[in-house]
Amino acid sequence: NAGVTQTPKFQVLKTGQSMTLQCAQDMNHEYMSWYRQDPGMGLRLIHYSVGAGITDQGEVPNGYNVSRSTTEDFPLRLLSAAPSQTSVYFCASRPTLPSSYNEQFFGPGTRLTVL
Amino acid sequence: DAKTTQPNSMESNEEEPVHLPCNHSTISGTDYIHWYRQLPSQGPEYVIHGLTSNVNNRMASLAIAEDRKSSTLILHRATLRDAAVYYCILRALNTDKLIFGTGTRLQVFP
Repeated sequence: NAGVTQTPKFQVLKTGQSMTLQCAQDMNHEYMSWYRQDPGMGLRLIHYSVGAGITDQGEVPNGYNVSRSTTEDFPLRLLSAAPSQTSVYFCASRPTLPSSYNEQFFGPGTRLTVL
Repeated sequence: DAKTTQPNSMESNEEEPVHLPCNHSTISGTDYIHWYRQLPSQGPEYVIHGLTSNVNNRMASLAIAEDRKSSTLILHRATLRDAAVYYCILRALNTDKLIFGTGTRLQVFP
């Protein structure tokens, strides 16, 4: 298994540009999520999905869209990039197990700079 | 969401035990206590979690206070590879949301 993969690893955008950060997992996990991490900070939840066709907002959803058409993929779209979205973005997934179990698997991250 | 409080940083020598504290005085009866760690330039990695009883796994032990208002992550013999930021997180029952704080940066010296 490749686990959770993210592309690209690095990206530079100009203000106002749009782009999609890709996330895929090959573990048949139902739950997937996106976080951002600003320098010296912990991770903040952007959006999450509990299965194909179902998404919901996290702590900081503004400026981002998500969709979940398949179990494997959970792309994150930046609609009109702003310098405040400069951050490292992490995707995570977890298996469908009883709610007492919650080991989430994180991808390696995408470092995004918006000029 | 219930909050956690951790020291900003801690230091240890290699092969010594490390006790990483976490305070969570507003924890509710059904909140799980999770620990993740983040090595430099990597995504977070699950370490351990528990509800009421102490827990052990191959990576660490989790000691939970009887009133559940605090917990301690125990690394039995620190290695250089354990240098990371350790996050103590409360997760409400029937949710998948992990609310990260700023964590404790652990330095391990040879």
